[in-house]
Amino acid sequence: KAGVTQTPRYLIKTRGQQVTLSCSPISGHRSVSWYQQTPGQGLQFLFEYFSETQRNKGNFPGRFSGRQFSNSRSEMNVSTLELGDSALYLCASSNGQGNSPLHFGNGTRLTVT
Amino acid sequence: DAKTTQPTSMDCAEGRAANLPCNHSTISGNEYVYWYRQIHSQGPQYIIHGLKNNETNEMASLIITEDRKSSTLILPHATLRDTAVYYCIAPENFVFGPGTRLSVLP
Repeated sequence: KAGVTQTPRYLIKTRGQQVTLSCSPISGHRSVSWYQQTPGQGLQFLFEYFSETQRNKGNFPGRFSGRQFSNSRSEMNVSTLELGDSALYLCASSNGQGNSPLHFGNGTRLTVT
Repeated sequence: DAKTTQPTSMDCAEGRAANLPCNHSTISGNEYVYWYRQIHSQGPQYIIHGLKNNETNEMASLIITEDRKSSTLILPHATLRDTAVYYCIAPENFVFGPGTRLSVLP
């Protein structure tokens, strides 16, 4: 099975711009979660989508949003970028049931200048 | 969410067993314990998970105490490639702490 795929791998944006990141989950997985990882804050949960609905949400401002499509692929959008949004953004998929573990992609490295 | 605590860092000699402890004293009865590791610039890699019984797979063994308040991840024969940050989590929403930075030394 192919793993979780995130595109693009690297991205450079300017303050004030917006960005869209993409995640393709493992085939058959219906849950997609997004995380932000920075050296200072570690791995922080952004949100989880299951069957096109946001099921859980972390403590991030409304500039961070996401969606999930009928094929379980997910996108994450960050609007009005700030320097502090520079981070590794990780996507993880699971079958969304019970004790199923998360499987992570290798992330998108976003740099805001 | 159950809170987990792990040592900040550990060293292990190559070829020896690496035993990584985790305290999860507030874990509820139906919460699993999960272990992941992250090698620099890659996404976290799932290792193993368990509820109350000891578990073993091709990567590691997981020993959970009878009271479920702590667990130990065992890498039986550590190699240099096992150098990584290891996370123990007992999630409701998969909240990751800072983990343990394991250095396998030649």
